[in-house]
Amino acid sequence: GQSLEQPSEVTAVEGAIVQINCTYQTSGFYGLSWYQQHDGGAPTFLSYNALDGLEETGRFSSFLSRSDSYGYLLLQELQMKDSASYFCAVRDGDDKIIFGKGTRLHILP
Amino acid sequence: DTAVSQTPKYLVTQMGNDKSIKCEQNLGHDTMYWYKQDSKKFLKIMFSYNNKELIINETVPNRFSPKSPDKAHLNLHINSLELGDSAVYFCASSQGLAYDTQYFGPGTRLTVL
Repeated sequence: GQSLEQPSEVTAVEGAIVQINCTYQTSGFYGLSWYQQHDGGAPTFLSYNALDGLEETGRFSSFLSRSDSYGYLLLQELQMKDSASYFCAVRDGDDKIIFGKGTRLHILP
Repeated sequence: DTAVSQTPKYLVTQMGNDKSIKCEQNLGHDTMYWYKQDSKKFLKIMFSYNNKELIINETVPNRFSPKSPDKAHLNLHINSLELGDSAVYFCASSQGLAYDTQYFGPGTRLTVL
């Protein structure tokens, strides 16, 4: 079956760096995306990787290794407002977007 | 201007009723989606439409029927509502099937009593 695995919860301190990992097993692969969702809100797009390597967007970076079926989201200079759930998502060979179960990020002051 | 809008935001109804949720996007996108997010926050695709044509129809009970009158609208009608249908339903759109960036609506919280 198709699956995306990511940790259910991660805790970090304000101002620190945190990495959220995602491993995937899908039939076909076009790209790995990351979404942020605050409580009571809608998912919002953060980043996308189709090729191996690191993509940087401000404090957020995303990495992909297609050979390892693995990616991660790196959040730097953590702020309290970064407390949210983070989802990885893969577009498979049928153009279907499959989401991971989400990682709840807790930030301590 | 809201990019992807849904109505209503909250929907509370009795078991057995029929209800609809409306979605509109003003981004000029070709592809629209319906997702269900359960109480454990698991986000699962239900349907996707591309240029008004049904592309993805996941294993969703046939009580759920999407309708796309035009590219900018994708509505979801649910017949004979059940307790297990309680969830947040998100509409989303993307530029096209091959575009991974999805823009989500604010969600509709459906509670079935």
